[in-house]
Amino acid sequence: EAQVTQNPRYLITVTGKKLTVTCSQNMNHEYMSWYRQDPGLGLRQIYYSMNVEVTDKGDVPEGYKVSRKEKRNFPLILESPSPNQTSLYFCASSATLSTGTRNTEAFFGQGTRLTVV
Amino acid sequence: QKEVEQNSGPLSVPEGAIASLNCTYSDRGSQSFFWYRQYSGKSPELIMSIYSNGDKEDGRFTAQLNKASQYVSLLIRDSQPSDSATYLCAVGVGEYSGAGSYQLTFGKGTKLSVIP
Repeated sequence: EAQVTQNPRYLITVTGKKLTVTCSQNMNHEYMSWYRQDPGLGLRQIYYSMNVEVTDKGDVPEGYKVSRKEKRNFPLILESPSPNQTSLYFCASSATLSTGTRNTEAFFGQGTRLTVV
Repeated sequence: QKEVEQNSGPLSVPEGAIASLNCTYSDRGSQSFFWYRQYSGKSPELIMSIYSNGDKEDGRFTAQLNKASQYVSLLIRDSQPSDSATYLCAVGVGEYSGAGSYQLTFGKGTKLSVIP
């Protein structure tokens, strides 16, 4: 089954304690991205990756890091979480036009609800 | 700053009616357009994708794209209570191949309520 898997689904942590949210996709997609969703603000892109070792900032990258060492994995790292990073996070992946497909819709993981106290 | 604007709603329609959802975008170079449905606390799921001007129909859903007006819409015919959700418009812009730069920007969503 084609899917994007995020872990953990729920996480409560304390300010300053480094954490990693994992994301893995089994569709051989080149493009992966991270979003956060907050009430009234919608989905905002944090970081995205066009392919292995190619990452770039989205609209709200401050306080986050990412890496893309393998095509299937795109972890989100919070080096020193703060309460303003409490949010619902989504990982997504897409095929790209370079593969010859027109079907470039994003597939989403189940979401990670993060609370930083 | 790329912007995607949607009316936040709530939009209330009676069961069986047509629901019309609208979206405008700021970047004229946008190439791909999507409508997602999101139930509360769940991940977005794709309803429709459209890449060319005109209409695209899939079952009860029709997406309409007008690049000249920078406008994309979603029509839901014979609305059902199960259609009650938040609908997100997403717009892709940039070089979506190789080492290019590509961003997918979402609107804040329109909350639809279908009244039985």
